[in-house]
Amino acid sequence: SQQGEEDPQALSIQEGENATMNCSYKTSINNLQWYRQNSGRGLVHLILIRSNEREKHSGRLRVTLDTSKKSSSLLITASRAADTASYFCATALPAGTALIFGKGTTLSVSS
Amino acid sequence: EAGVTQFPSHSVIEKGQTVTLRCDPISGHDNLYWYRRVMGKEIKFLLHFVKESKQDESGMPNNRFLAERTGGTYSTLKVQPAELEDSGVYFCASSQVFGQTEAFFGQGTRLTVV
Repeated sequence: SQQGEEDPQALSIQEGENATMNCSYKTSINNLQWYRQNSGRGLVHLILIRSNEREKHSGRLRVTLDTSKKSSSLLITASRAADTASYFCATALPAGTALIFGKGTTLSVSS
Repeated sequence: EAGVTQFPSHSVIEKGQTVTLRCDPISGHDNLYWYRRVMGKEIKFLLHFVKESKQDESGMPNNRFLAERTGGTYSTLKVQPAELEDSGVYFCASSQVFGQTEAFFGQGTRLTVV
């Protein structure tokens, strides 16, 4: 069964608005990572948050992690058209398996 | 420093044919992973190499898929014979420390089986 699941599946906003994507997972994790995929290109690592961390920032990105609810959120502030992409959360389990990805959230930012 | 490179970027083959995908990881990365994304579905793990050894191949769909990493450098993923459901984007990634740090992904190979 799927470990990570992003919500919503698709999100359309205007430039300058904030975009929030959520990720839920099922089992204990070592860390959770967010990746971005622009159309036709590879996955780009955005941010990693460890299980003992609750919030992390990187530029316009803010990630939160709630291990009690087994959920994470990715906030992109002041969005730009260039942020249009698919965003994936990926979990790294303590037992030592490869990253497990969800289906992703497709973000469209229009100018 | 070069990133993870994959070849070819696109491949269109007929059902029953053989295709070999190649991945060159970042130099010095012992961990190499193969993933696949079928249209509209999640990115699914296929297998994980540590150097030349298969650490975990639990995600390999069936015995039509064969992955190798001779010498612990580049890796190949061969599909023989290809079926329609094998179509998708195949991603390769590498990392220094397994599970603890970010993974660096290649651009992917888009495989279309017709």
